[in-house]
Amino acid sequence: SQTIHQWPATLVQPVGSPLSLECTVEGTSNPNLYWYRQAAGRGLQLLFYSVGIGQISSEVPQNLSASRPQDRQFILSSKKLLLSDSGFYLCAWSFGWGYTFGSGTRLTVV
Amino acid sequence: TQLLEQSPQFLSIQEGENLTVYCNSSSVFSSLQWYRQEPGEGPVLLVTVVTGGEVKKLKRLTFQFGDARKDSSLHITAAQPGDTGLYLCAVEDAGKSTFGDGTTLTVKP
Repeated sequence: SQTIHQWPATLVQPVGSPLSLECTVEGTSNPNLYWYRQAAGRGLQLLFYSVGIGQISSEVPQNLSASRPQDRQFILSSKKLLLSDSGFYLCAWSFGWGYTFGSGTRLTVV
Repeated sequence: TQLLEQSPQFLSIQEGENLTVYCNSSSVFSSLQWYRQEPGEGPVLLVTVVTGGEVKKLKRLTFQFGDARKDSSLHITAAQPGDTGLYLCAVEDAGKSTFGDGTTLTVKP
């Protein structure tokens, strides 16, 4: 069966520090992968998506970047975090008629 | 302008009551998904509807896709505290999904 792993679950980082969130998928090959951010109790904002290794599409200009070094690995990064980067970050993969989401990372920038 | 409008934004009811939440748009979609999300977790897919007028049932949950494929509703019969959560609708467009802002449902015992 397909599973998606995302870590860490929570993260508190100071302003100006770097960020690296990792997401891996098991049980499928060449998945479409996505990074979303969610404000408290609200909808999801698409940040990046990838249809293959090294292929990244950015949806919103911001302080973040994404990379896909391996088929089933998707990384969200920042060189210098801003207070506005705080939020709940979700990784997902698409299986055609819906998404499977990871359990999310709660990022607090202080 | 939001592509998907969900209503109500918040809903608080007593256990045993029935409820309906809505997802509306002015655009036509080939499919629409409903997700439920619990605090601190990722959304979980409940159903995908693809045909205008389609009705799908999942235990006490009934999902309907509008005839014109512009809107959808989710009806819960005899709500239980375990139904508490954020209900999100989403549509697929050019390989990526757009989500509504959701309805936060609280079912009190």
